[in-house]
Amino acid sequence: EAGVVQSPRYKIIEKKQPVAFWCNPISGHNTLYWYLQNLGQGPELLIRYENEEAVDDSQLPKDRFSAERLKGVDSTLKIQPAELGDSAVYLCASSFGQGEETQYFGPGTRLLVL
Amino acid sequence: GENVEQHPSTLSVQEGDSAVIKCTYSDSASNYFPWYKQELGKRPQLIIDIRSNVGEKKDQRIAVTLNKTAKHFSLHITETQPEDSAVYFCAASINAGKSTFGDGTTLTVKP
Repeated sequence: EAGVVQSPRYKIIEKKQPVAFWCNPISGHNTLYWYLQNLGQGPELLIRYENEEAVDDSQLPKDRFSAERLKGVDSTLKIQPAELGDSAVYLCASSFGQGEETQYFGPGTRLLVL
Repeated sequence: GENVEQHPSTLSVQEGDSAVIKCTYSDSASNYFPWYKQELGKRPQLIIDIRSNVGEKKDQRIAVTLNKTAKHFSLHITETQPEDSAVYFCAASINAGKSTFGDGTTLTVKP
């Protein structure tokens, strides 16, 4: 079984530029999470989807961050415009849902904003 | 919201010794407590989890204990090996909802 897939793995952009990250969860997983992980810290939830619905986006900086999960499968996280402080690893995770809590993480996208 | 504190931030042990990492949480409604291992540059991987209806769970050299009254849970690794060296994260969540992670413990196992 394929794991959670993310792309790109690395991205370097200049500040004020837009950037997008893509995630393909494990087949059959209804719940999808986007996390931000700063160096030396634990992952912090940005947004959680149950199928197509964003059920928790309280930590998503909505002035510059947006996300979508069309058809309840793949998801895209976008930052526009990027700021220096956005440099971090962006992790996607998925779980089966319906009471099955185990989350499986993707390899992450390492973003560097110059 | 939930607050998870993890200690120690770094831990160095000799190969073969035991390692213990502790986490406390603030929301008494949390009922699911996973532990993740993250090697440098790699994804976090679940190593063990515990739900609030049990007090202890063991899987070979790894065990987790939960004290709901005190709101803390611990990871125990026995007979440590160099390949156990990594960053370990605890987390707490309510019914598969938002997971709050600790800041991690960097474990170094010296051969």
